[in-house]
Amino acid sequence: AQSVTQLGSHVSVSEGALVLLRCNYSSSVPPYLFWYVQYPNQGLQLLLKYTTGATLVKGINGFEAEFKKSETSFHLTKPSAHMSDAAEYFCAVKGNEKLTFGTGTRLTIIP
Amino acid sequence: DTGVSQNPRHKITKRGQNVTFRCDPISEHNRLYWYRQTLGQGPEFLTYFQNEAQLEKSRLLSDRFSAERPKGSFSTLEIQRTEQGDSAMYLCASSSPSGNTYEQYFGPGTRLTVT
Repeated sequence: AQSVTQLGSHVSVSEGALVLLRCNYSSSVPPYLFWYVQYPNQGLQLLLKYTTGATLVKGINGFEAEFKKSETSFHLTKPSAHMSDAAEYFCAVKGNEKLTFGTGTRLTIIP
Repeated sequence: DTGVSQNPRHKITKRGQNVTFRCDPISEHNRLYWYRQTLGQGPEFLTYFQNEAQLEKSRLLSDRFSAERPKGSFSTLEIQRTEQGDSAMYLCASSSPSGNTYEQYFGPGTRLTVT
């Protein structure tokens, strides 16, 4: 079985500051990991994914994440936050066919 | 590629009524998924289809819920005798083999409110 834990349901950062959203996973098989972003009243948009190969993956909008097997983590980072990054972020692990999501982290950007 | 579409976007219904939602996947995507998202939570898997075959159903999918994908294209999700606990966002996603990741693309969702 797979599971995801997102530490911090709310994160606030100043515009221009580093964004760090934490995700830890549990998986009985080599994981496929994903970060999605959700804006109010919208569906989910894929930011980035890890399947195999390079452990540092780059996504859209300047986001990146590093797969660390020893720490069972897949934290999402962005060097400099923009106001447009304010949204809900979900980490997910793929098992069989379904995605198992964390409970989400709401990111607020302080001007 | 016009993306995954869902209709209606919003539905308000009275408890006990039946509702039906529609999902049109990205054309040529052979896999279609339904998820439910309640307020403050991440999406939870409900069921998925490969072509017209429903291959897995979650325990969340009670007997009042039924999903179909009759021709392997669009899908419908019906909830009978709605309850207030059914109020949620219902998300549809589709995917096709792409490398080996089966990346899922989500629609905008249907928000159901049961009064």
